[in-house]
Amino acid sequence: DTEVTQTPKHLVMGMTNKKSLKCEQHMGHRAMYWYKQKAKKPPELMFVYSYEKLSINESVPSRFSPECPNSSLLNLHLHALQPEDSALYLCASSQEQAFGYTIYFGEGSWLTVV
Amino acid sequence: QQPVQSPQAVILREGEDAVINCSSSKALYSVHWYRQKHGEAPVFLMILLKGGEQKGHEKISASFNEKKQQSSLYLTASQLSYSGTYFCGTHAGGTSYGKLTFGQGTILTVHP
Repeated sequence: DTEVTQTPKHLVMGMTNKKSLKCEQHMGHRAMYWYKQKAKKPPELMFVYSYEKLSINESVPSRFSPECPNSSLLNLHLHALQPEDSALYLCASSQEQAFGYTIYFGEGSWLTVV
Repeated sequence: QQPVQSPQAVILREGEDAVINCSSSKALYSVHWYRQKHGEAPVFLMILLKGGEQKGHEKISASFNEKKQQSSLYLTASQLSYSGTYFCGTHAGGTSYGKLTFGQGTILTVHP
């Protein structure tokens, strides 16, 4: 079972709101990722967690705050977002954070900032 | 650094073949291929790990030329279900280690 589950599927939030995106996997993977995808563009890496520790932060603005409570869960906390942050947010996981491992994506959370 | 895909778009009739190329200016450790349909998540197709390696999945196969830092995805006898955007993702070394970086995508449309 290669499943990464994301909630919610759709989220509309105001610029002053605080919300969170959640991601869960039960494949025993030790690396988890957040990607952002704008329309007609490729996914762009935001954060990588390896063994529950933040491994890569691609200079993402602080209004995005990742959290990895345990090896199965990954959250993305959102605060004071801008309309240009509207996008598809993809969570993904792989067995390890290394080049030889397949990265499996969840269905994504569609975020609209109004 | 983002790999470069070509062509940007392909239009086929069912049963025709297509090749999508992915090239990088950096030495590559691996190449990953994904297909994404509109409004859906990217779906993993295959991973190539070393130079010269070719992999296949039904009528879709791929090769990896380590010397040229290139990979090609081959779609034979295309079906309607092959329509979508194809992304290559590459792992390079150095400061890019651990990062899968995607090319800009190739839009494939298969008509009956």
